[in-house]
Amino acid sequence: QVQLQESGPGLVKPSETLSLTCTVSGGSVSLSSYYWGWIRQPPGKGLEWIGSIYYNGNTNYNPSLKSRVTISLDTSNNQFSLKLSSVTAADTAVYFCARVVDGYVLIPFDYWGQGTLVTVSS
Amino acid sequence: EIVLTQSPGTLSLSPGETATLSCRASQRISSTYLAWFQQKPGQAPRLLIHAASSRATGIPDRFSGSGSGTDFTLTISRLEPEDFAVYFCHQYGSLPWTFGQGTKLEI
Repeated sequence: QVQLQESGPGLVKPSETLSLTCTVSGGSVSLSSYYWGWIRQPPGKGLEWIGSIYYNGNTNYNPSLKSRVTISLDTSNNQFSLKLSSVTAADTAVYFCARVVDGYVLIPFDYWGQGTLVTVSS
Repeated sequence: EIVLTQSPGTLSLSPGETATLSCRASQRISSTYLAWFQQKPGQAPRLLIHAASSRATGIPDRFSGSGSGTDFTLTISRLEPEDFAVYFCHQYGSLPWTFGQGTKLEI
């Protein structure tokens, strides 16, 4: 069974960089059949796709965040990471990592981490 | 960017009834790339439907999706108490991927 687990600081100061890691178990981030994404949800609001990373390291980002986002892959530890720079209170949200199946059929976000709340505050 | 508008915002029904949730896109979406998620408080979203009408693994057949072009529907038959949650539609055919704002299904 595939499991994803987010980790990282729950509190980040304004203007600093938010850094989160998603550890994947029960499956490999190196397989071409899958890619991996980050999604966030401000408290009481809807979902926003942040970006995705493929097995080969190629990335796609939401243009609304592109200038501040970096997603990277760590195959040796079976993890992928999110960095969001110059954060403000508007970046306060629950951050989720999730898997996309890229096979004969594209299946979005079939497995998710439990989510981690990141609060931006001084 | 494709904007997804869901209606109604809140739907009040009783167990045993049928729920019909709508998702309208600002541009045509290939049916291959429309999904529905269910989210309960404090939990991650759960994939229900992908490719507009294909149920995800383990999803009961009370959940069905339909539609094409710009108009899509999620139908939940014979509502169970555990079905009361927030539902999001999601398009993944055009970057950036986007989600609807959600429909809250309440008792």
